[in-house]
This record gives sequence, structure tokens and C-alpha cells, in this order.
Amino acid sequence: NAGVMQNPRHLVRRRGQEARLRCSPMKGHSHVYWYRQLPEEGLKFMVYLQKENIIDESGMPKERFSAEFPKEGPSILRIQQVVRGDSAAYFCASSPGLAGGHAYEQYFGPGTRLTVT
Amino acid sequence: AQTVTQSQPEMSVQEAETVTLSCTYDTSESDYYLFWYKQPPSRQMILVIRQEAYKQQNATENRFSVNFQKAAKSFSLKISDSQLGDAAMYFCAYRTNAGNMLTFGGGTRLMVKP
Repeated sequence: NAGVMQNPRHLVRRRGQEARLRCSPMKGHSHVYWYRQLPEEGLKFMVYLQKENIIDESGMPKERFSAEFPKEGPSILRIQQVVRGDSAAYFCASSPGLAGGHAYEQYFGPGTRLTVT
Repeated sequence: AQTVTQSQPEMSVQEAETVTLSCTYDTSESDYYLFWYKQPPSRQMILVIRQEAYKQQNATENRFSVNFQKAAKSFSLKISDSQLGDAAMYFCAYRTNAGNMLTFGGGTRLMVKP
């Protein structure tokens, strides 16, 4: 049973470019969460999605950041016009729906390390 | 808003000995979940142990156990018989029963001396 998959693992972008981070949840999981980890800090919640719906984006910066979880395919976190301050590790986590398993438990992917030069 | 505090930026333990990592949290909720995650140099977040707030019994997973003090809002992690592979960042995390997000503490870096 494959875990949460994220790609790419490392991404280098120049200032002003766009970054697209992808996350495939564990099989059977319909909830996806994105977190950001700045150097030497804990993870900070960004957004929570279910298929085709954004449920909670209270942690997402108002500008340049967007997320989606389409009916088919992975969840995408998109950062437009990246700046140096966007350099961080971005983690995706998934959990089953409330109807199954430990709904409160989130399983993390290996993260994408974004470096903005 | 809920907050999670880990007051020990770094801890060190001798191999085979026991170490306790501290975590306190602030919440007005009565029903919630607490977690400890391990982040080794690979940066993968690994769930170590979880505790449901409504359960009085402290959770245990092999060499890992917690001391959950609900009234004091304290949730410490005890690692027994420490191994070199336990060296990592450890994060305490909180989630309300109805909430969607995990709130993390700032982490404690654990070093294990051979």
C-alpha cells in the first residue's frame, strides 16, 4: 500500500517563476492537507481539501497561492511569482473520510523542498 | 486559537537511557487529539504516538510512551532504551475533534550519544 506521494522532491525556481507541487494521497484517502515548514520551525497548516472542494484555506496566504484537488489526479499546490521567502519544505498529508479508519490521523508525504533563487 | 509549545529546543541522551520531551498546549476544547511526530534528517514526518483526550490511560507504543496530564495541558513523550536511530526532530501536535488542521509545536532536536 503506497504511502502519500509528493513530487518533485526538490524544486528550484527563480524569483517570479511559478511553482507547482503535486500530492497523491494514500489509496482510499479522500482528504488532503498542505503544510509549510520554514527552516528550523514546525509545520504550519495551509489548506485542507476534499475532492473538488476547498474546505479550509485559513492558513493560505491571500495572494499568489492556490490549491486544488480535482476529481481525477493529484492535489496541486500552486505558487505564482515566487519570492525568496517562499523557500521552504511543503508537506502534504492525507486522511480517510470520517466514515473509515482513524479519521483524525494524518499520514504525511516526504515533502517538496522549494528553493527560490 | 490553539497553541502548542515545546520548551526544549535541543535534548541529548546517552544510548540505552531514557529521555523525556516536554509539550504543553493551550485550548478551550474538551475533546481533541494529541500526537508526537518524528522527523529524521530525511524530513519524512513519522507518526510516533497518538492520544485521545477523552482517554485517561496514557498511550504506549513499544519504547515510546506519553504522560498526558489533561488538567495541566501537558503531553510529554518518554523514550526508553534510546537508540541511535531515535535521533531526530520531534514535534508535538494538536487537533480538535472537529477540526481539520494539526497545530504543531516548534520541535525538539534529540541527539543520541553512543
